Amino acid sequence: QKEVEQNSGPLSVPEGAIASLNCTYSDRGSQSFFWYRQYSGKSPELIMFIYSNGDKEDGRFTAQLNKASQYVSLLIRVSQPSDSATYLCAVRDDKIIFGKGTRLHILP
Amino acid sequence: NAGVTQTPKFRILKIGQSMTLQCTQDMNHNYMYWYRQDPGMGLKLIYYSVGAGITDKGEVPNGYNVSRSTTEDFPLRLELAAPSQTSVYFCASSDGGRQETQYFGPGTRLLVL
Repeated sequence: QKEVEQNSGPLSVPEGAIASLNCTYSDRGSQSFFWYRQYSGKSPELIMFIYSNGDKEDGRFTAQLNKASQYVSLLIRVSQPSDSATYLCAVRDDKIIFGKGTRLHILP
Repeated sequence: NAGVTQTPKFRILKIGQSMTLQCTQDMNHNYMYWYRQDPGMGLKLIYYSVGAGITDKGEVPNGYNVSRSTTEDFPLRLELAAPSQTSVYFCASSDGGRQETQYFGPGTRLLVL
């Protein structure tokens, strides 16, 4: 069974600090990796995707991928209260598998 | 562009009733998906389609059926509703590929009593 694991949280981070979200996956054949943000009562929306080892930056967001360790992370710099949401990690091989998500709470 | 639309937004069903959840996308995407999300849980794939006339089972297909007669529409049919099908259902579409971005509809909240 292919699995995507995330700490459910909640992860509490002071406003302005860096929030670090982590995800591990079981299938070494996975090709693409995604981070979705989901506000309470809303549908998920894509923040970033990454498919090469290393870092990928987009504004305040950085995705990090380490295929050898089967680990992908999302860093949110200068965190804001509007970043408070559940962050879903998704991994794709032939199908996309979602983790259960990490609830992030930015403390004003 | 409306993106992905879903109807209804909320529905209460009695055990044993049937219903169809509607999903339409206007982005000309070939790939469409149905997920369910239980409280505090991630998304579980029910069925997906890679094009009109082609559907396949996901992780949790039991109790559901789908059809894909057009590129735009991907309805999900619940036969003989059970309390275990109480959930939020999301439809999504994408253009596929390695850098696939899935666009989600607003969801349908279903309560089976």
